[in-house]
Order: sequence, then structure tokens, then C-alpha cells
Amino acid sequence: GDSVTQMEGPVTLSEEAFLTINCTYTATGYPSLFWYVQYPGEGLQLLLKATKADDKGSNKGFEATYRKETTSFHLEKGSVQVSDSAVYFCALRETSGSRLTFGEGTQLTVNP
Amino acid sequence: GAVVSQHPSWVICKSGTSVKIECRSLDFQATTMFWYRQFPKQSLMLMATSNEGSKATYEQGVEKDKFLINHASLTLSTLTVTSAHPEDSSFYICSAISTGGYSGNTIYFGEGSWLTVV
Repeated sequence: GDSVTQMEGPVTLSEEAFLTINCTYTATGYPSLFWYVQYPGEGLQLLLKATKADDKGSNKGFEATYRKETTSFHLEKGSVQVSDSAVYFCALRETSGSRLTFGEGTQLTVNP
Repeated sequence: GAVVSQHPSWVICKSGTSVKIECRSLDFQATTMFWYRQFPKQSLMLMATSNEGSKATYEQGVEKDKFLINHASLTLSTLTVTSAHPEDSSFYICSAISTGGYSGNTIYFGEGSWLTVV
């Protein structure tokens, strides 16, 4: 079945550092890929998405490129801020389906 | 943009009682909604898929008689935790699919509901 694997956390960075959170997936078809962010005590917010190979999703300085050859969708940001501290979830959704498969989540803490 | 709202945001109930959590799509119609459970510092666990006008589809290991799901309209799904026990305490999150308009087939999440059973 489908699965998503994220790099283990927690990740702790200083403000303005470069961020990478790795995400790889296993799927039988051609899924859409997503990154969601969850701030403490809140639900999930869609951060960015990509629906086909080589697509790049971007939002709020975050980027991720759909790499079919490596089955990856790594999240990057060039300069993190304290306000980026949250849990980040990578997820996939099969073209023919409606449900999301989530990774384990990665806790990011950015210190001033 | 599309908004999904949950109510209540948090609830405390006594062991043995039932509690209902509502999930509403505020500006779009959702034929399909999902209910998740999240334990502290863990990922989301899909409990069931709620389809408007039909029975919910439960994931393996989820007790359908304990977690009753009703999707009575295109904008409302409810999760009722029956005979709640302390181990049911958790963060419950719903999501809904927007199938039309600008949003187009996008999944939106509610803010989540904290349930504490004492």
C-alpha cells in the first residue's frame, strides 16, 4: 500500500538557517504530494502541494519539488524564522482516491 | 478560501457519557469528510471516511459502534464518542473535500477538537 516516510525529528535550528525536511513515498500510481503544517494545539494547514512529476510547490518561502525518479518531495526553506516552529507533515493522495496518507511528522523548533 | 470548522474546540466529559463533535464545511459542499485521531507527538490516524447520505467507512481496528459518524448533509458530519473512557482522550481532526469552484478537489482540515475524558 501507499506510505510516506519523513526524516526523524525533532529538528532544531537557529533563525535564518537553511531547512530541509526529507520526505520519500511509496505509491502504486501517480499521487499528488502535499506538505501540511500544524501549529501547537491547532489543526492542519496546507502549506504547499504538487500534483505531477517535476512540479514545484511553493508558499511562504517554503519549496518542495516532486521527484518521481527518487520518489521524494523534500521540503526546503532558505531562511527559517521563529514563527516557522511547528510540526510538518508530508502526505500523498492517489489520483483515483480521496484519502491522504501521512508521514510521521517532523517537529521543527527555530530558536532566535 | 474554503473553511472547515469543528465544534467544540475542546470538551471535557465524564467517563461513561457520550460526546458529539461537529465538522462543518462553511463555504462549500463536501460529499466526503474524514475523521482523524491524533495522539500527542504522533501523526494523524484515519478513523473513518464519512460519505453524505450513506454509512461511514471505518478503518481497520476502529470500533464503529463506539465512534458513530453521521453525515446528514453536504456541510455537516458528526462524530459521537459513545460511552467515553479516559483512553478515548485525544485530539480529533476532521477534513473535507471541496470538489468544485476555485478550490477544486482540495482537502481542507478543521481546527481540531480536544477531548478529555475524566
